[in-house]
Amino acid sequence: DTAVSQTPKYLVTQMGNDKSIKCEQNLGHDTMYWYKQDSKKFLKIMFSYNNKELIINETVPNRFSPKSPDKAHLNLHINSLELGDSAVYFCASGHLQYTGELFFGEGSRLTVL
Amino acid sequence: EDKVVQSPLSLVVHEGDTVTLNCSYEVTNFRSLLWYKQEKKAPTFLFMLTSSGIEKKSGRLSSILDKKELFSILNITATQTGDSAIYLCAVGGGAQKLVFGQGTRLTINP
Repeated sequence: DTAVSQTPKYLVTQMGNDKSIKCEQNLGHDTMYWYKQDSKKFLKIMFSYNNKELIINETVPNRFSPKSPDKAHLNLHINSLELGDSAVYFCASGHLQYTGELFFGEGSRLTVL
Repeated sequence: EDKVVQSPLSLVVHEGDTVTLNCSYEVTNFRSLLWYKQEKKAPTFLFMLTSSGIEKKSGRLSSILDKKELFSILNITATQTGDSAIYLCAVGGGAQKLVFGQGTRLTINP
């Protein structure tokens, strides 16, 4: 069983479109994250949810809207896609009270043309 | 703002060599420092360090933390081509998140 799973793994779309990436974890963790990895492989946190509540929002444009229907799911919706949004988006999960190991999904590679 | 800096950014060595990767940090309310290895897909966990001076070891990999000087090193001995990857250092602090460095791209040539 995959611990943190993301879909889709690849996404190619035109500028201006809206797209969503879904993430699910079966580890029983209380906190989920979205990270963005750019072409230089720099992993930067975007959002964090703890038990469906947004706790971290790192000055991400409001075109990006996370949604957490329950603590096992965290989805990312992106409106009006721009070229600079092209990146690999990683979902991760862990325990908020213990800033230790995060478990990452395999990433969703978004290419905006 | 929390900050993690890794060096070198890129390293190319021959199989069998020993390498040392560096990670320095500035973080409010330090809780832990973690090392990850990223090959083609998701970063995979290597070590978590919370105390100074205690070496963590797994096979040919080892790591140690210095909380006074705010840095950590990751050593890999007798390198193999399968060690080629990006090695990421991350620090957990009071902000309840992991802040990552920019990574070191390690290439092991046969």
